[in-house]
Amino acid sequence: EDQVTQSPEALRLQEGESSSLNCSYTVSGLRGLFWYRQDPGKGPEFLFTLYSAGEEKEKERLKATLTKKESFLHITAPKPEDSATYLCAVNSGGDYKLSFGAGTTVTVRA
Amino acid sequence: SAVISQKPSRDICQRGTSLTIQCQVDSQVTMMFWYRQQPGQSLTLIATANQGSEATYESGFVIDKFPISRPNLTFSTLTVSNMSPEDSSIYLCSVHPTGNTEAFFGQGTRLTVV
Repeated sequence: EDQVTQSPEALRLQEGESSSLNCSYTVSGLRGLFWYRQDPGKGPEFLFTLYSAGEEKEKERLKATLTKKESFLHITAPKPEDSATYLCAVNSGGDYKLSFGAGTTVTVRA
Repeated sequence: SAVISQKPSRDICQRGTSLTIQCQVDSQVTMMFWYRQQPGQSLTLIATANQGSEATYESGFVIDKFPISRPNLTFSTLTVSNMSPEDSSIYLCSVHPTGNTEAFFGQGTRLTVV
């Protein structure tokens, strides 16, 4: 059974204070690791897909990296609009089912 | 990507009743899923909605409690039956457009059972 653990549960940052979120995973064979952003009252919004160790992807102030055991989501110089819950998910079969972590809630203060 | 519309966006229901949630996609998709997000928790897969056949349920979820319909490639419904307060959650529809490995989600249905 796939397992996904995210840390920390919550992260409070000052505007401009860079930080990283962690996603540790245990799967039988990784088909893809996904990062989503979820705002209150909304469905998850897709950010990145990572497939193999060493892969990196960037989007604005966000950068996702992947190793064989974990993924990091780096937030560089965050702004208040980056405040959200960030979810990590994995897929290990060819069936597109996702196993999610509990998420990290990020609050960025101006 | 795909645009997914869910209805209703929220509802408050009496225990013992049932609620049907609709999910409409703006393009034909093969893979469609229903997830539950309980208060303060992450998403848990309920079932895979298969077009033209019965849904495939995950461990802990049964068809009598969560019947699913998938009449075509753009539409699905999830019914939450004989509701109890423990069913209070956000229910989310998700699709994998053909050629995409990533999933896209609807806005969710926030259900409160009183």
